[in-house]
Amino acid sequence: GAGVSQSPSNKVTEKGKDVELRCDPISGHTALYWYRQSLGQGLEFLIYFQGNSAPDKSGLPSDRFSAERTGGSVSTLTIQRTQQEDSAVYLCASSFAGGDGYTFGSGTRLTVV
Amino acid sequence: RKEVEQDPGPFNVPEGATVAFNCTYSNSASQSFFWYRQDCRKEPKLLMSVYSSGNEDGRFTAQLNRASQYISLLIRDSKLSDSATYLCVVLRYGNKLVFGAGTILRVKS
Repeated sequence: GAGVSQSPSNKVTEKGKDVELRCDPISGHTALYWYRQSLGQGLEFLIYFQGNSAPDKSGLPSDRFSAERTGGSVSTLTIQRTQQEDSAVYLCASSFAGGDGYTFGSGTRLTVV
Repeated sequence: RKEVEQDPGPFNVPEGATVAFNCTYSNSASQSFFWYRQDCRKEPKLLMSVYSSGNEDGRFTAQLNRASQYISLLIRDSKLSDSATYLCVVLRYGNKLVFGAGTILRVKS
């Protein structure tokens, strides 16, 4: 596609439910990041995928968070047993070669009630 | 100490003014450097890459000083539409992007 696509754009869920967030990177981009941004705050790194290498999961805040990337393309971020503090905008970014900069999707706004 | 530090501002400037933002980074193994722009409730968008030789794109000039681990962004002839948060971003060795917290710019008529 022309850009990074994320779905859903908005998600409201009840505390304790699981959610899945999806990211379709730009075709051919081998690098993919997940970040989250709470209201008025900076971007918090979550996880990084590069080609077939093992992902860098060092930013995942707890074991309730996991992500996978199938076939080197689409990525899914899963949050289990959601908590209110998980409410944030979850942003995905992709790149062909990191030095060229990354393109962000428009994000998924997650609200846990 | 944060790995990428920026003055949060806000910088309030009149239209037509020249404004400069600074950013320092602590990891000397950083490879690439960028300025991103983020509008309210929108995703960050790449404004420009930053090179040691300095680079210019219209009214925007970026500079990198590797010895001092310092990055700058200069905006000339500010427009109302330049109002946004400007994010200093460093690509660390191993391809990990590290974001500064951002500098808020408000351009007023």
